[in-house]
Parts: sequence; C-alpha cells; structure tokens
Amino acid sequence: EAGVVQSPRYKIIEKKQPVAFWCNPISGHNTLYWYRQNLGQGPELLIRYENEEAVDDSQLPKDRFSAERLKGVDSTLKIQPAELGDSAVYLCASSFQAASRAFFGQGTRLTVV
Amino acid sequence: SQQGEEDPQALSIQEGENATMNCSYKTSINNLQWYRQNSGRGLVHLILIRSNEREKHSGRLRVTLDTSKKSSSLLITASRAADTASYFCATVPIDNTDKLIFGTGTRLQVFP
Repeated sequence: EAGVVQSPRYKIIEKKQPVAFWCNPISGHNTLYWYRQNLGQGPELLIRYENEEAVDDSQLPKDRFSAERLKGVDSTLKIQPAELGDSAVYLCASSFQAASRAFFGQGTRLTVV
Repeated sequence: SQQGEEDPQALSIQEGENATMNCSYKTSINNLQWYRQNSGRGLVHLILIRSNEREKHSGRLRVTLDTSKKSSSLLITASRAADTASYFCATVPIDNTDKLIFGTGTRLQVFP
C-alpha cells in the first residue's frame, strides 16, 4: 500500500513570494488533514477535508492561506504571500474516516527568508 | 491550539531500560492515539485507545488511559536505540470527532 505522498520535501522562498504544497493521500481515504509543525512543537491542525468538503478550517489563516481538494483526492495548500513566521514543516495526513488512525506524509519543510 | 501536554518534555535513558511518557488533556475524548516521529520525518501511528478502554498493549508498548484524570501514559519496555524519537499523544474530542489534536510531545533519547 502506497503511503501519503507530499511534495516538495523542501522549499526555500523569499518573503512575500507565493508557495504551494501538494499531497496525495492513501487511496480510499476520505479524510485529509493539513497540519503545521513548528520546531520542537506538536502538529497544529490547519484544515480537515471530508472528501472534497472542508469541514474544519477554523485554524487556517484565511488572509494568506488557501487549500483545495479537487475531486476528493489530491490536495494543495497555498500561502500567498509568505511571511517569515510561516517557516515550519507542513504535514499532510489521511485516514479512512474521522476519529480513526491517521497516516502521515513526510512533510514539506518550508523556509522563508 | 493543542489539547494535550506530554510530560516529561525530554527523557534520556540507557538501552534496556523502560521509558514512561505521560499525556494530560483538557476535554472529554472519543479516543486517544500515540504517534512517534523520528527526526525530520513524518509521524507514525503507534496505538489507539478508546475512551471505554483502560489499557492496551502492542509489542513492547503499553498504553493506559484514565478518563477521570484526563490522562494517558505510554510505556516502552526494554528500550532500544532505535526508539529514539519524539512521541506525541493526540486526542479526538467527544464533541468534535472531526478533530485530531496533538500534544506538545516528549523527546526520547535512548543511549546504546
């Protein structure tokens, strides 16, 4: 079984530039999560999808962050414009259904300079 | 926002010793999960314990749950250098099973 795939693994951009992250969840998993993890801290939920519907985006900074999950499969997370404080690891996870175990990708490490 | 807090924040032990990590959370839960994260990598699910369960085992892992105290513990027996990682508890609130909320983590170092 293929795991959750994220790309790119690393990204370095200048502040005010846009950036996008891509996630391909495990086939058949309806629930998809985006988390942000700062150094030395636990992951913080940004947004959760059930199929193509964003059911919880209360923690997503909507002024600069956006996400989509077309056709209920792949998802992209975008930041525009990026700020220095956005430097973090962005993790994507999927699960068969809400409240069950989640499978995580390797994450994208974003550095904003 | 993070619901859980792990204790201790960091733990160093010798191979063969047991490691115990604790997690406290704030609101009633549907279930609690433990994850491991090796340096620079994604999280790996270890074990899930439901709110009506008190103890669960998986190999060298033993998880307990005390819902009256809103706490859980993860015991790793006969630790190995390969167990070196950060360990996180994550809770699914009973009033919002959409969420999976992580704690702050315990960094475990196992010396050979």
